[in-house]
Amino acid sequence: NAGVTQTPKFRVLKTGQSMTLLCAQDMNHEYMYWYRQDPGMGLRLIHYSVGEGTTAKGEVPDGYNVSRLKKQNFLLGLESAAPSQTSVYFCASGGNYYEQYFGPGTRLTVT
Amino acid sequence: AQKITQTQPGMFVQEKEAVTLDCTYDTSDPSYGLFWYKQPSSGEMIFLIYQGSYDQQNATEGRYSLNFQKARKSANLVISASQLGDSAMYFCAMRSGGGADGLTFGKGTHLIIQP
Repeated sequence: NAGVTQTPKFRVLKTGQSMTLLCAQDMNHEYMYWYRQDPGMGLRLIHYSVGEGTTAKGEVPDGYNVSRLKKQNFLLGLESAAPSQTSVYFCASGGNYYEQYFGPGTRLTVT
Repeated sequence: AQKITQTQPGMFVQEKEAVTLDCTYDTSDPSYGLFWYKQPSSGEMIFLIYQGSYDQQNATEGRYSLNFQKARKSANLVISASQLGDSAMYFCAMRSGGGADGLTFGKGTHLIIQP
């Protein structure tokens, strides 16, 4: 039981490049989330999904797209990376209202 | 809109002392949940404790307890008998309503336990 895993752990992009972050969970959770964490701040919600095939915008969705084609996977895409997207990205999943388990994070630098 | 405020950017505490980390929240929804997470220097987010708005008793998990004062809209985390390994960032978060929306986080408190 690996819990929530994220791929990759680190990535450096040049401005304008694209990439996809992968989140996978093996707990059969319905709900999945993508957050970003910037220095001196708490986590902010980017997008989330309440089930396979569904997605919704969070607090800071601009510049990101997501997909949930399979229940266990939640993908976060950056179509044209910008330096402002330099951050640590966390994925989380939950099976009910009172739980949310986080992955180890992906550190992304955009130069 | 919902908001979490953590007013202590940093705290120094002697080992074995009790610690109280402050958290106030704001929401207009009568149904909500409050969470505390620990983030050590290694970076992972570790769930500590949860309190629902309709829970009659304060939540406890081992050395962690949540001092929930609904009228004051506060949800302070209390760590009893602090240990060196408690040194970390601590985040208060909330979720409003009955759905599966994500969490709203505060900016965190950096706790340092001194020997």
